[in-house]
Amino acid sequence: NAGVTQTPKFQVLKTGQSMTLQCAQDMNHEYMSWYRQDPGMGLRLIHYSVGAGITDQGEVPNGYNVSRSTTEDFPLRLLSAAPSQTSVYFCASSYSGRGWDIQYFGAGTRLSVL
Amino acid sequence: GIQVEQSPPDLILQEGANSTLRCNFSDSVNNLQWFHQNPWGQLINLFYIPSGTKQNGRLSATTVATERYSLLYISSSQTTDSGVYFCAGPKSNTGKLIFGQGTTLQVKP
Repeated sequence: NAGVTQTPKFQVLKTGQSMTLQCAQDMNHEYMSWYRQDPGMGLRLIHYSVGAGITDQGEVPNGYNVSRSTTEDFPLRLLSAAPSQTSVYFCASSYSGRGWDIQYFGAGTRLSVL
Repeated sequence: GIQVEQSPPDLILQEGANSTLRCNFSDSVNNLQWFHQNPWGQLINLFYIPSGTKQNGRLSATTVATERYSLLYISSSQTTDSGVYFCAGPKSNTGKLIFGQGTTLQVKP
């Protein structure tokens, strides 16, 4: 059971480049989300999805797009990377997205934008 | 909106010592989770504890929902306990977790 898998683990981009961070889970979870972690600021929610075809914005959505075509996958797209997007990105999933569900996190993607 | 505050921000312990980490919430919280982020960055769920007390080996957690706080106890600390400890609560009754800023723990041999 792989849990939540994120790829790549590390990425360096130049300002203005685009890329997609991949996230997949094999637990048949309905709820998936993306967080970014910056020094001294904990984790902040970027986007989330309560099921295939349904996405919504979190606290810091600007500069990021998401889609959810399948239950398993929830990619995060940076259309035009900016240095302010240098961060560590975590994908998480839970069974239903209700407040009582335990959330499981991927290993993270460390992104640097030059 | 809900705010989450953790204390202390940093903690240095000698191996074998005990410690208590605190998490305060600005609004009522139905459910709370404690996470440990190891030095390699992996986030591991330690406890899901909406109220009461739970124990897992040397770690235990207590949440007093009516007073809006939770405590994480680490007994007989080991170097492998080093890392950052986060508490997080859901916004309303959703999966949107609001994280505290974390407590960075260093356990010295």
